[in-house]
Amino acid sequence: DSGVTQTPKHLITATGQRVTLRCSPRSGDLSVYWYQQSLDQGLQFLIQYYNGEERAKGNILERFSAQQFPDLHSELNLSSLELGDSALYFCASSVGPESYNEQFFGPGTRLTVL
Amino acid sequence: GQSLEQPSEVTAVEGAIVQINCTYQTSGFYGLSWYQQHDGGAPTFLSYNALDGLEETGRFSSFLSRSDSYGYLLLQELQMKDSASYFCAVRESSGGYQKVTFGTGTKLQVIP
Repeated sequence: DSGVTQTPKHLITATGQRVTLRCSPRSGDLSVYWYQQSLDQGLQFLIQYYNGEERAKGNILERFSAQQFPDLHSELNLSSLELGDSALYFCASSVGPESYNEQFFGPGTRLTVL
Repeated sequence: GQSLEQPSEVTAVEGAIVQINCTYQTSGFYGLSWYQQHDGGAPTFLSYNALDGLEETGRFSSFLSRSDSYGYLLLQELQMKDSASYFCAVRESSGGYQKVTFGTGTKLQVIP
């Protein structure tokens, strides 16, 4: 158990819909990262927040957005869902803003878009 | 821009040694990480190399050569539970920030 929690574990929805994925980092960690993992794309970095502010951006679509709240939990919002958005979405956390070498991953949310 | 290359699959015998290579092309390189991921599970951090040389952690070792843009993960005394996917990931600067980019993973199958 990494100490990072993600909800829900599974999510099934339809194209065009909007969903919110939630992540709580390990106690004491200020950075939260979001990743998408699909069969044909591997693990893709989406976005990072540090202490409530956006820190780095990867291959995140404009239909996707995220935020980190004062209690440090983070939410990833996915809108106008397409079939290709079906994937495992992982959240990871680390202590500092540059602690990319030691990220602790949550169990993931499996999103299925029908 | 960046690219990482690692073999897609490797098969090795229980008790043996296996080496998983990773080559990268990136600007603003900071370091190379390795992660393990079992089927259906989350990635787990294994090691990080920022400087040239070998880092050893139990049965796992990781090596980096910055001049060759190359690294490898060495797994010794292979056990069946080591069957998993192994990802290398580069830590690099991008647009004033640092970020991590993952390779596509190497699926290791350990056979009796």
